[in-house]
Amino acid sequence: DTAVSQTPKYLVTQMGNDKSIKCEQNLGHDTMYWYKQDSKKFLKIMFSYNNKELIINETVPNRFSPKSPDKAHLNLHINSLELGDSAVYFCASSQGAGNRGYTFGSGTRLTVV
Amino acid sequence: QKEVEQNSGPLSVPEGAIASLNCTYSDRGSQSFFWYRQYSGKSPELIMSIYSNGDKEDGRFTAQLNKASQYVSLLIRDSQPSDSATYLCAVNGRRGGGYQKVTFGTGTKLQVIP
Repeated sequence: DTAVSQTPKYLVTQMGNDKSIKCEQNLGHDTMYWYKQDSKKFLKIMFSYNNKELIINETVPNRFSPKSPDKAHLNLHINSLELGDSAVYFCASSQGAGNRGYTFGSGTRLTVV
Repeated sequence: QKEVEQNSGPLSVPEGAIASLNCTYSDRGSQSFFWYRQYSGKSPELIMSIYSNGDKEDGRFTAQLNKASQYVSLLIRDSQPSDSATYLCAVNGRRGGGYQKVTFGTGTKLQVIP
């Protein structure tokens, strides 16, 4: 019973391709997030959704488009992949604003070649 | 100034010793403070949260918060080799529009030497 599950776990693709990462949580949380962790291990927020509404949209290229069909799912679509997009992408969820902390998914390691 | 600052380490301590990890933050309006542990190749895992000044203990872990100094720390007593990981400090601060955002530090790598 994985609390926050992401697919795929690994993704290797060529520059210019379009790819999607899916995330689902079964914790009953109402807020979900996408974080990017670069090679220096810095975790940076990209997007946050609360009950399907976008509430945080950091400075992210518009090639990245999140979509939340319901509060248990948050997907990330990336167009025209670039070498610099290579990183680990983590989905996370929380109840409300996250004052009790986040639960993270296992991550998707994206490698653009 | 970075929003959340940590020494990247590595911090090396012998098995059985106390490991002390420190974090400073810039937003005085921050309300919630967290420590996450991240093993290599794994996802961050919440180990401690603290909301008011003082100490909070949970097993071998003690979180300390000093809002006046904008300082959070994590003490790990009786350190074990299994504690070897990167420890991420995270701070939940105010953000425009009424929504809060959790900002992570870059993490401190802890190595516990048997």
